[in-house]
Amino acid sequence: GAVVSQHPSRVICKSGTSVKIECRSLDFQATTMFWYRQFPKQSLMLMATSNEGSKATYEQGVEKDKFLINHASLTLSTLTVTSAHPEDSSFYICSARVEQGAGELFFGEGSRLTVL
Amino acid sequence: DAKTTQPTSMDCAEGRAANLPCNHSTISGNEYVYWYRQIHSQGPQYIIHGLKNNETNEMASLIITEDRKSSTLILPHATLRDTAVYYCIVRSRMDSSYKLIFGSGTRLLVRP
Repeated sequence: GAVVSQHPSRVICKSGTSVKIECRSLDFQATTMFWYRQFPKQSLMLMATSNEGSKATYEQGVEKDKFLINHASLTLSTLTVTSAHPEDSSFYICSARVEQGAGELFFGEGSRLTVL
Repeated sequence: DAKTTQPTSMDCAEGRAANLPCNHSTISGNEYVYWYRQIHSQGPQYIIHGLKNNETNEMASLIITEDRKSSTLILPHATLRDTAVYYCIVRSRMDSSYKLIFGSGTRLLVRP
């Protein structure tokens, strides 16, 4: 299947700092990428849809000024958690859509953010 | 998108078939059934998808009932590495957003 890579896989930061997470499609181009977050023992919650060359579309209840998304190229989307607080600690996962076929999504390995 | 109902947890013995059911009684004619799984602390992994015909690939088989109101994912010879949370998701082929909404999934434990 298609490969999606996230970096960093783990990050620890102090409260009040900003953290950037990268999502790359390694062997295909993706005009659409998605960002999810997952708390322990819960399912994935969709945060936003990242569209190459345009503004991201956020799900209801997700603060767009808190979670900045940039999709500057067909292979890279970034999520920046601004002024992070302990409650932002979570597992952040991106996915990218394969343009052909039924448009199935492939997911990155996830990035675990811990805010102290 | 139609909602799905899955058992919270299941277990099976290593080497035996694992049959994971999913109910999607409100599915409409243009909606696909997708299966993903998530091994602990990893991103979800695509398994298989189907519309109305049964599907098989190197990972699993997907059996969709004739009325399309339910489906079963079959792992023919489960291994310990198949222990994961399995998600059944329904999404419209006409949905230009392509986003997947995850439910609670089934936690499958494969016993030695």
